[in-house]
Amino acid sequence: NAGVTQTPKFQVLKTGQSMTLQCAQDMNHEYMSWYRQDPGMGLRLIHYSVGAGITDQGEVPNGYNVSRSTTEDFPLRLLSAAPSQTSVYFCASSPERGSYNEQFFGPGTRLTVL
Amino acid sequence: EDQVTQSPEALRLQEGESSSLNCSYTVSGLRGLFWYRQDPGKGPEFLFTLYSAGEEKEKERLKATLTKKESFLHITAPKPEDSATYLCAVRGYSSASKIIFGSGTRLSIRP
Repeated sequence: NAGVTQTPKFQVLKTGQSMTLQCAQDMNHEYMSWYRQDPGMGLRLIHYSVGAGITDQGEVPNGYNVSRSTTEDFPLRLLSAAPSQTSVYFCASSPERGSYNEQFFGPGTRLTVL
Repeated sequence: EDQVTQSPEALRLQEGESSSLNCSYTVSGLRGLFWYRQDPGKGPEFLFTLYSAGEEKEKERLKATLTKKESFLHITAPKPEDSATYLCAVRGYSSASKIIFGSGTRLSIRP
């Protein structure tokens, strides 16, 4: 199993550009989530999904969209990038809907918006 | 609103010097409290889940404990390879499937 994979590993955008961060897992996990991590602020939840076709907002959803058409994939879209979105983005998955089991994290995408 | 506060922000210890990290939480009905370890440039790695006050879990030099208001991560006789950021997170009944993280404690162990 590859676990949770994220692409790209690094990305530089100009203000106003759009892009999609990819996340995939091969563990058949129902629960998937996106976090951003900024210095001194820990991990903040952006969006999450409890299964294919179901998504919901986390703590900091503004400026981001998600969709979950398959169990495996959970892409995060930045509609119009802003410097405030410069951060490290982590995708995570967990084995059960509404589970409080462990989350498995991807390696992260480091995004810089100029 | 669910909240998690970790202290201290950073902790430097000598190899073999035991200590504890604190995680204070506010949640309306605790479904689970989680500890993760994060190495620089990597995603967090799961350590423990605690569900109810009085529960304890151990893994090598680490032991996690839980009360109704806080959790401690005790590190006994640490080694340099224990250096990392330790993250605490909670899931409450009122927040559905949201998991809220604290800002972490950066632990550095000097040989």
